[in-house]
Amino acid sequence: KNQVEQSPQSLIILEGKNCTLQCNYTVSPFSNLRWYKQDTGRGPVSLTIMTFSENTKSNGRYTATLDADTKQSSLHITASQLSDSASYICVVRLNAGNMLTFGGGTRLMVKP
Amino acid sequence: GAGVSQSPSNKVTEKGKDVELRCDPISGHTALYWYRQSLGQGLEFLIYFQGNSAPDKSGLPSDRFSAERTGGSVSTLTIQRTQQEDSAVYLCASSPPGRSTDTQYFGPGTRLTVL
Repeated sequence: KNQVEQSPQSLIILEGKNCTLQCNYTVSPFSNLRWYKQDTGRGPVSLTIMTFSENTKSNGRYTATLDADTKQSSLHITASQLSDSASYICVVRLNAGNMLTFGGGTRLMVKP
Repeated sequence: GAGVSQSPSNKVTEKGKDVELRCDPISGHTALYWYRQSLGQGLEFLIYFQGNSAPDKSGLPSDRFSAERTGGSVSTLTIQRTQQEDSAVYLCASSPPGRSTDTQYFGPGTRLTVL
């Protein structure tokens, strides 16, 4: 069964600190992997998209990495801000069709 | 520009009633997706529309769920004889044509509560 597992489920950090969120997947064949940020009560917003051949992609203070061999991805947040408090969702797309497999998300809380 | 809009934003209904949820995708976007997000759970794919092709209904949990997309634009998700387990946030997303830009743009969702 294709799965996307994220860790940790929740994380609390102090403002200004860095953090790394993990995503492991078993989806195959793989097309691309996305990280979304979902604020409470809002729809998800795309942060990064990486294809099989890409190892890293940055979007401001967000940097995503991908190791297609080990089927692992991480999202690193640098110098966290209070507005980073949200759920971060890892989403993997199969090579065929348009089915997306969503991870359960990591709920991040940044405290002052 | 205008994003994906959904209505209503909140819907409370009684068990057994039918509900309709509406999604207005971004103009020009050919792909439209419906997802469900239960409390504390991840997003669950429901149905996918792409242009004039037959929709991918593989994610619909039961025959009480159906969706239409009229004129390749607005979509309506209908849930018949609602059950308490249908309570969730229903999210709609759209994507522009072409796989090179397959980022999905999500609407704010409709929070459905079935009493």
